[in-house]
Amino acid sequence: EAQVTQNPRYLITVTGKKLTVTCSQNMNHEYMSWYRQDPGLGLRQIYYSMNVEVTDKGDVPEGYKVSRKEKRNFPLILESPSPNQTSLYFCASSKLQGSYNEQFFGPGTRLTVL
Amino acid sequence: GNSVTQMEGPVTLSEEAFLTINCTYTATGYPSLFWYVQYPGEGLQLLLKATKADDKGSNKGFEATYRKETTSFHLEKGSVQVSDSAVYFCALSVNTGNQFYFGTGTSLTVIP
Repeated sequence: EAQVTQNPRYLITVTGKKLTVTCSQNMNHEYMSWYRQDPGLGLRQIYYSMNVEVTDKGDVPEGYKVSRKEKRNFPLILESPSPNQTSLYFCASSKLQGSYNEQFFGPGTRLTVL
Repeated sequence: GNSVTQMEGPVTLSEEAFLTINCTYTATGYPSLFWYVQYPGEGLQLLLKATKADDKGSNKGFEATYRKETTSFHLEKGSVQVSDSAVYFCALSVNTGNQFYFGTGTSLTVIP
């Protein structure tokens, strides 16, 4: 089944404790992206990647890191999480750069930073 | 800059009612426009898209027309069903499709 998976689905952590949210897709997509969803703000793009070793900032990259060492994986790293990073995070992928083509979204990761 | 503004919700309609969700945008260059739908507890799914002015996107009875003159991409459906209850997001992409901007979402509840 074609899908985007994220782990963990739920995470509660404390300020300053480094964490990684994994994202993997099995559709051989070149493009992958991370978003955060907050009430009243919709989805905002954090980082995106056009292919292996090619990443760029989205609208709200501060406090986040990403890497794209393999085509299928695009982890989101929070080196020193803060309470304002409490949010619902979505990973997405698509076949070509950005799109025109459909983005496929993962189920989301709900992060709480205390 | 780039941004999307969509009508505030929540919206509650009776089954078979007509639906309109307004969406307007500002963008540098020539964006592509999208409507995504999010069902409870799930990620977003593409509902429809339009890549140039006057294009009409359609899917599952939903339609939206890319209006460059009014910078709008309003979502419409002639007769909603209970199964259409979800949150709807208007979005645009720029920079050859690499950067995306989403609206705040409009929650729709359809009652029998």
